[in-house]
Amino acid sequence: LAKTTQPISMDSYEGQEVNITCSHNNIATNDYITWYQQFPSQGPRFIIQGYKTKVTNEVASLFIPADRKSSTLSLPRVSLSDTAVYYCLVGEAGSNYQLIWGAGTKLIIKP
Amino acid sequence: DAGITQSPRHKVTETGTPVTLRCHQTENHRYMYWYRQDPGHGLRLIHYSYGVKDTDKGEVSDGYSVSRSKTEDFLLTLESATSSQTSVYFCAISDLGTGELFFGEGSRLTVL
Repeated sequence: LAKTTQPISMDSYEGQEVNITCSHNNIATNDYITWYQQFPSQGPRFIIQGYKTKVTNEVASLFIPADRKSSTLSLPRVSLSDTAVYYCLVGEAGSNYQLIWGAGTKLIIKP
Repeated sequence: DAGITQSPRHKVTETGTPVTLRCHQTENHRYMYWYRQDPGHGLRLIHYSYGVKDTDKGEVSDGYSVSRSKTEDFLLTLESATSSQTSVYFCAISDLGTGELFFGEGSRLTVL
């Protein structure tokens, strides 16, 4: 099972672009990379999922290099409401029971 | 938002008493999960279910049992609660395909 490594915390300011990098050196061929966001006192919420190259949706972009040993979640023009914990997970699509959740990255957005 | 309801949302109990947490979904998703989350940690899987009466253990299943007699309900039981089971418990659901997890609002359990 591939484990991930991400920074414990990050700070940024409103209006900035924030990039959170996740390392997953042991990623397997069938593994996807998924990011979740969690606000205090709430359950995590799915942000984005990708396999390779770049994926973009209405809230974020996910950049995955060719070797897939890392990935970067990019949040454009953050606001105070983006303050949350962000989790990077690696595993086969649909095999959620195998996912290992680390401590995540606590992102604090300042005015 | 996905239709997931956890009950109770908050509970305080004493060591040695049984506790049951309920997760109810209205999405007809096949998979249901129980996680616990402790301060400074990510989520840890307790048990999961891949269908009615089909359940399996996660990484921290000791001291917990589950049941799923209907698609929409997944019960987590602590037969004899201990202080180490003080935690926030999250239920999640998913279906086939991308496997995106949808989480409930959590149940905060305190065992004195």
